[in-house]
Amino acid sequence: DADVTQTPRNRITKTGKRIMLECSQTKGHDRMYWYRQDPGLGLRLIYYSFDVKDINKGEISDGYSVSRQAQAKFSLSLESAIPNQTALYFCATSDFKDRDHEQFFGPGTRLTVL
Amino acid sequence: AQTVTQSQPEMSVQEAETVTLSCTYDTSESDYYLFWYKQPPSRQMILVIRQEAYKQQNATENRFSVNFQKAAKSFSLKISDSQLGDAAMYFCAYRSFYGGSQGNLIFGKGTKLSVKP
Repeated sequence: DADVTQTPRNRITKTGKRIMLECSQTKGHDRMYWYRQDPGLGLRLIYYSFDVKDINKGEISDGYSVSRQAQAKFSLSLESAIPNQTALYFCATSDFKDRDHEQFFGPGTRLTVL
Repeated sequence: AQTVTQSQPEMSVQEAETVTLSCTYDTSESDYYLFWYKQPPSRQMILVIRQEAYKQQNATENRFSVNFQKAAKSFSLKISDSQLGDAAMYFCAYRSFYGGSQGNLIFGKGTKLSVKP
């Protein structure tokens, strides 16, 4: 089984809808991240969490919110989806005890907002 | 703030040949980590190779090696004996040695590599 899972893998929604992307990990890592990937822009950090009680905004947090329900779960919400939030979304994890804090990525969620 | 630049949006290589992908970065820090990630059509992000800035020796992983030039702030990836499975998007990434928000990854915009049979 994959160490970092994301659900759903693909989602099509309409403008104005609320949508939640979920991420779960079995690696036992304390740190979790949400990224957005757009063609020609690379990956950009939306939110990150260093433990259950810690939530931090990344480079592009506007229009998004997150919840760290447990050490293993980190959800990303779009309260009112808009078309320019159409993108590939990645969850990642890392271990504070790991020297270089290597990040391990989930398989990604392809979100389309019509 | 640190930045990572990949100046080649697309590259092409003949199977079995060698190709080098470029990456430059800007930082005022002396200690940091650099990474190359591969994203094949499956879209999974796969770590290819990493380099610790304080290590002068260039990292190598099988057919993948880097040319790390700290003074020039350059971190290029060399793929030898290219295979069809190497076709992917490649991302260069920087991470500060220090923790907290400075420890987050900063990605370049990527280079799409095609491998011709």
